[in-house]
Amino acid sequence: GAGVSQTPSNKVTEKGKYVELRCDPISGHTALYWYRQSLGQGPEFLIYFQGTGAADDSGLPNDRFFAVRPEGSVSTLKIQRTERGDSAVYLCASSLVPGPMNTEAFFGQGTRLTVV
Amino acid sequence: ELKVEQNPLFLSMQEGKNYTIYCNYSTTSDRLYWYRQDPGKSLESLFVLLSNGAVKQEGRLMASLDTKARLSTLHITAAVHDLSATYFCAVARAGQNFVFGPGTRLSVLP
Repeated sequence: GAGVSQTPSNKVTEKGKYVELRCDPISGHTALYWYRQSLGQGPEFLIYFQGTGAADDSGLPNDRFFAVRPEGSVSTLKIQRTERGDSAVYLCASSLVPGPMNTEAFFGQGTRLTVV
Repeated sequence: ELKVEQNPLFLSMQEGKNYTIYCNYSTTSDRLYWYRQDPGKSLESLFVLLSNGAVKQEGRLMASLDTKARLSTLHITAAVHDLSATYFCAVARAGQNFVFGPGTRLSVLP
């Protein structure tokens, strides 16, 4: 596709359930980022992939959060035992390998997660 | 730890007026970005600034970067209602993640 695609666009789940959020980056982009944005706040970094490997996962809040990118393209963010505090918009972005010219990151529309 | 601050956090201005949004960051970085976000929407890239003294302009928006002062500005000229949105700056080092500021919520009033 032309842009970063995230599915689902909205997800409502009960407290304690498991959820998966999917990100399909722009074709050819090797860098992929997950961010979380709460209402009225700036995006908060979660994890960053270069290819298949997590280059930096320091933003994951606890071990209930996990992300994979097995083939270096699509990524899945997994949240176990969801809590009401996990409610937010989860944003995915992708970019080409960082370099002098190719440094822009493009964001998807986000998945709005609501834990009830 | 890299931290990014913006001011003001809220800005209400009249159409036709000029104003500047400021972005400060705490440690040396390679790149600075400005994004726009409309309510309920994702982030739209406005500018990427790569070097000290870089200046970029698009329509009524102009962004500049002073790496020595660790400061970027987003200047709005003759504001129009369509510019109402939240503006974020973000800073990154090569090969690392983006750190976002808290955002500046801009309202342009007729």
